[in-house]
Amino acid sequence: DGGITQSPKYLFRKEGQNVTLSCEQNLNHDAMYWYRQDPGQGLRLIYYSQIVNDFQKGDIAEGYSVSREKKESFPLTVTSAQKNPTAFYLCATTSGSYEQYFGPGTRLTVT
Amino acid sequence: RKEVEQDPGPFNVPEGATVAFNCTYSNSASQSFFWYRQDCRKEPKLLMSVYSSGNEDGRFTAQLNRASQYISLLIRDSKLSDSATYLCVVKTSGTYKYIFGTGTRLKVLA
Repeated sequence: DGGITQSPKYLFRKEGQNVTLSCEQNLNHDAMYWYRQDPGQGLRLIYYSQIVNDFQKGDIAEGYSVSREKKESFPLTVTSAQKNPTAFYLCATTSGSYEQYFGPGTRLTVT
Repeated sequence: RKEVEQDPGPFNVPEGATVAFNCTYSNSASQSFFWYRQDCRKEPKLLMSVYSSGNEDGRFTAQLNRASQYISLLIRDSKLSDSATYLCVVKTSGTYKYIFGTGTRLKVLA
């Protein structure tokens, strides 16, 4: 199947722990994005990557880190420095016609 | 002023009704426009891109008005399954960033 996978679907962590969210795609898209969505708010951009080994901060990058070692993979680490990490995290890729496609998301709860 | 604004709704309409949503954007350099559908606790799914001349996909019609800086989505013959939140998304020329509206919630009632 072609698409974007994110794992896990639900993730629970204690405050102070780093956690890594997985995002894998087999669409052969160059560009990949990470967003977070909070209730009643639009999606906010955390990081994006246009090509392997390159990535750029989005609007709310503080407390997050990413890597892009392979075209297919763009993992996001939520560090203990992120003050309000509980959210719905969405990974997306972009086609050549600029259409964005989303993975199923990871719902992170930090207590 | 937000870069992309939508009426949050909810729009409660009976089955079979026609409903329209508008979305305004503030950056005149905006280049690409999209409507997404998001079901509760799910990821957004692309409904349609919006082209300058307007475009139609079955019961859905999208329009772009560059002069007034808004896009619209018209849904004809509403189905119960159309109940969802509809997100307006705008991409600005020369950047890789997409700006998302907060969404308009639609409830189609039996």
